[in-house]
Amino acid sequence: ELKVEQNPLFLSMQEGKNYTIYCNYSTTSDRLYWYRQDPGKSLESLFVLLSNGAVKQEGRLMASLDTKARLSTLHITAAVHDLSATYFCAVDVGQTSGSRLTFGEGTQLTVNP
Amino acid sequence: KAGVTQTPRYLIKTRGQQVTLSCSPISGHRSVSWYQQTPGQGLQFLFEYFSETQRNKGNFPGRFSGRQFSNSRSEMNVSTLELGDSALYLCASSPDGVYGYTFGSGTRLTVV
Repeated sequence: ELKVEQNPLFLSMQEGKNYTIYCNYSTTSDRLYWYRQDPGKSLESLFVLLSNGAVKQEGRLMASLDTKARLSTLHITAAVHDLSATYFCAVDVGQTSGSRLTFGEGTQLTVNP
Repeated sequence: KAGVTQTPRYLIKTRGQQVTLSCSPISGHRSVSWYQQTPGQGLQFLFEYFSETQRNKGNFPGRFSGRQFSNSRSEMNVSTLELGDSALYLCASSPDGVYGYTFGSGTRLTVV
């Protein structure tokens, strides 16, 4: 059974600081997603990583994928309050049999002034 | 471009009742997946439909069922509701079920 683990689960950081969220998964996959969720809201797609070594950046967020290590990272640069949210990674192992995303527990990020 | 539309947004039901939730995917998307989100269990996969066929099913009891229509709209049904079924139910659509999932706003179900 696929397991997806995120750490840390809770992250409180000051504005302007940098930090990294880690996402480890237990089986082979070359398809990993990062989502953001604000309280009471749905999931907003941030990044789709489809191959080993993939790196994508959007604003203060950068995501990377190492399929050999089964590890993805979400790096936050110079955090601002608006980044406060819960971040989920999700792995898709479905191929010919259809898709199914397995989510990590989520990282609740709070950016303090 | 319209997003994924889920109806209703909120629902309160009594134990033992049944409920039907609806999901209209983005136009042209043929794959629809359903997820349950609870504080205790997190986000869990329910099932995925592609061109009216269920391709994948998660580890949920048979009380949870779904279907997809020829226009790709999907419904999810939960029978004999239990208190533990209270959750946010999210629908996601994808052009082909390979990658690129867009989630709807969800239906928040409360069972009392």
